[in-house]
Amino acid sequence: QQQVKQSPQSLIVQKGGISIINCAYENTAFDYFPWYQQFPGKGPALLIAIRPDVSEKKEGRFTISFNKSAKQFSLHIMDSQPGDSATYFCAATYSGGGADGLTFGKGTHLIIQP
Amino acid sequence: DTGVSQNPRHKITKRGQNVTFRCDPISEHNRLYWYRQTLGQGPEFLTYFQNEAQLEKSRLLSDRFSAERPKGSFSTLEIQRTEQGDSAMYLCASSRFGQGAGELFFGEGSRLTVL
Repeated sequence: QQQVKQSPQSLIVQKGGISIINCAYENTAFDYFPWYQQFPGKGPALLIAIRPDVSEKKEGRFTISFNKSAKQFSLHIMDSQPGDSATYFCAATYSGGGADGLTFGKGTHLIIQP
Repeated sequence: DTGVSQNPRHKITKRGQNVTFRCDPISEHNRLYWYRQTLGQGPEFLTYFQNEAQLEKSRLLSDRFSAERPKGSFSTLEIQRTEQGDSAMYLCASSRFGQGAGELFFGEGSRLTVL
């Protein structure tokens, strides 16, 4: 059973546009939602994260929107740049729990066209 | 840059052979994790150490897989009698106790190809 569903699987955005990636989770015990960015040949790197006590978190051009009642959260990349082209993974975990609480989505392959 | 280091980066082996991967975490991190990633999928948790103690193992970790972290420093992941289905990227990550469970620092991975 997939506990974190991510969409779309792939996304093409023009330079300067807004990239939006959506995730939905099932387990209401999850209370920490990180996003990871992965470039080819590299390991995932933490990009931004949110806890459910806030509805939005912004860091530079990256914003997470969180809807607790719908059990959904999304990543918005404003003014998308070619350097943002990568695979993005949402994840969910229990902040006070063990390691297997970190459940990843299947990833979104983002391409920013110049 | 003293990030998480993994060796070897690539390993090609024949079915039935044993392979071992090594992970050197960030020095002040006492938690170490192994994940597996296949093409088109997100990382899947395999196992987790706090210092030298292996605290959790996924159901994905069959009896052919064994992980160790002697002295709470580097870790090794051994796969015995490899199968073609073991072909994947094996990722190591580390974190410091007190950080959120999701704030992991990943290495660049060890890619295994089983022929």
